[in-house]
Amino acid sequence: DIQMTQSPSSLSASVGDRVTITCRASQSISSYLNWYQQKPGKAPKLLIYAASRLQSGVPSRFSGSGSGTDFTLSISSLQPEDFATYYCQQSYSTPYTFGQGTKLEIK
Amino acid sequence: QLQLQESGPGLVKPSETLSLTCTVSGASISSRNYYWGWIRQPPGKGLEWIGSIYFSGSTYYNPSLKSRVTISVDPSKNQFSLKLSSVTAADTAVYYCADIINPDAFDIWGQGTMVTVSS
Repeated sequence: DIQMTQSPSSLSASVGDRVTITCRASQSISSYLNWYQQKPGKAPKLLIYAASRLQSGVPSRFSGSGSGTDFTLSISSLQPEDFATYYCQQSYSTPYTFGQGTKLEIK
Repeated sequence: QLQLQESGPGLVKPSETLSLTCTVSGASISSRNYYWGWIRQPPGKGLEWIGSIYFSGSTYYNPSLKSRVTISVDPSKNQFSLKLSSVTAADTAVYYCADIINPDAFDIWGQGTMVTVSS
């Protein structure tokens, strides 16, 4: 199985800050990397697919980059609604696997 | 607008079979444009892919669950289903259904349904 490791596991930031979350795959996954946002008690929401493609309806302050084994999710200017847990997921090969999550909290 | 809704028992006894249904609205489940999947999340933990089914009927399962999982489609009801046999407390989780877009990203999710395995 391909292991996905996110860092940091938690992050405190303020409204307006720029934040970056990193996801590393245990082997090359090309650009088969997706990012999700999950709020408490809610289903995950797809933000970014294929490493850098913004899903329809997702604000442009979200962006993704990377290929191979190292990927990043960036939020350019944090808004109050962005405080949530973020997961990466590889879709290069089955079993599809997720990172352990990064909890973004208000400082 | 595509919507998905999970349904099924919230409590299952150990060693029994967990059965859930995902009802799809806003699209035909048999459409070549759609793939479907199940994902679960134990309380306070991360996400685990269970399996996927494609319009062709092909299924792909997580090897960690493969011997116990069956995913199938019922076009007449525009539903797809999950069966997980011989459940234990470790199968206690919120179960989500979702549609899958290229490149196998989980796009539209159901609200999730909590299933507890307990006697």
